[in-house]
Amino acid sequence: DVKVTQSSRYLVKRTGEKVFLECVQDMDHENMFWYRQDPGLGLRLIYFSYDVKMKEKGDIPEGYSVSREKKERFSLILESASTNQTSMYLCASSFSPGDGYTFGSGTRLTVV
Amino acid sequence: DQQVKQNSPSLSVQEGRISILNCDYTNSMFDYFLWYKKYPAEGPTFLISISSIKDKNEDGRFTVFLNKSAKHLSLHIVPSQPGDSAVYFCAASEAGNMLTFGGGTRLMVKP
Repeated sequence: DVKVTQSSRYLVKRTGEKVFLECVQDMDHENMFWYRQDPGLGLRLIYFSYDVKMKEKGDIPEGYSVSREKKERFSLILESASTNQTSMYLCASSFSPGDGYTFGSGTRLTVV
Repeated sequence: DQQVKQNSPSLSVQEGRISILNCDYTNSMFDYFLWYKKYPAEGPTFLISISSIKDKNEDGRFTVFLNKSAKHLSLHIVPSQPGDSAVYFCAASEAGNMLTFGGGTRLMVKP
C-alpha cells in the first residue's frame, strides 16, 4: 500500500513562530502536494512539487514556503505563523499529476 | 472561478436509502473524474473514478454517473450505511494534469 506519512497529527503553535510540517511518501512518486482544508472552502492547493528541488505555487501560497530536497520528502513551512493559518493541512502524492492522489492523515494546526 | 462545484454542502439520508451526491464542472476538457471520502481527522481516501469515455462506473454499493453534455457527475450510494457518513469530494483532471477539487459535501446517514 502507498503510504503518505505526516509527522504530526495535532500541533499548537504561537503567533509568529516558524512552523515545519513534514510529509514523507514511500512509493517513489514524482508529484507531491500540500493542501489545506477549511469548512465550506474544500481543499485548497498551497504548493506542489513535480520533482526534487522543483516547486510550484498553488492557489493560496501566501505565508507559506516549501522544500523538497529528497524525492520522498516534501516540507511545508509557515514562515511566521498567524491565527488565520489555523487549519487542517493535508499532504498528498501521485505518480503523475492527473492520477488519483494518496493523502496523508493530515495535521490539525492551531495557531494561538 | 471554481471549475468544480458541489452545490450541496450537506446531505442527510436515512440508513438503507439511496444517497445521491452531485458535482458540476465548467471545463469541458476535463476527462477524468474521481470521488474521495474523508472522515474527520483523517486524510481523504480514493473511492471511485470514471473516465470521460464512459458514462457509468460501479463498485459495490457505489456508482458514479457522468453526463458530459450537462457537465455533471453524481455519486450514488445504495444502500446507505451509517459508516458512509463523511465528507465527499469530487475531483477532475484534464489530460493528466493536476486534480481540481470541489468544495465537498458532508453526508450524514441516520440509523
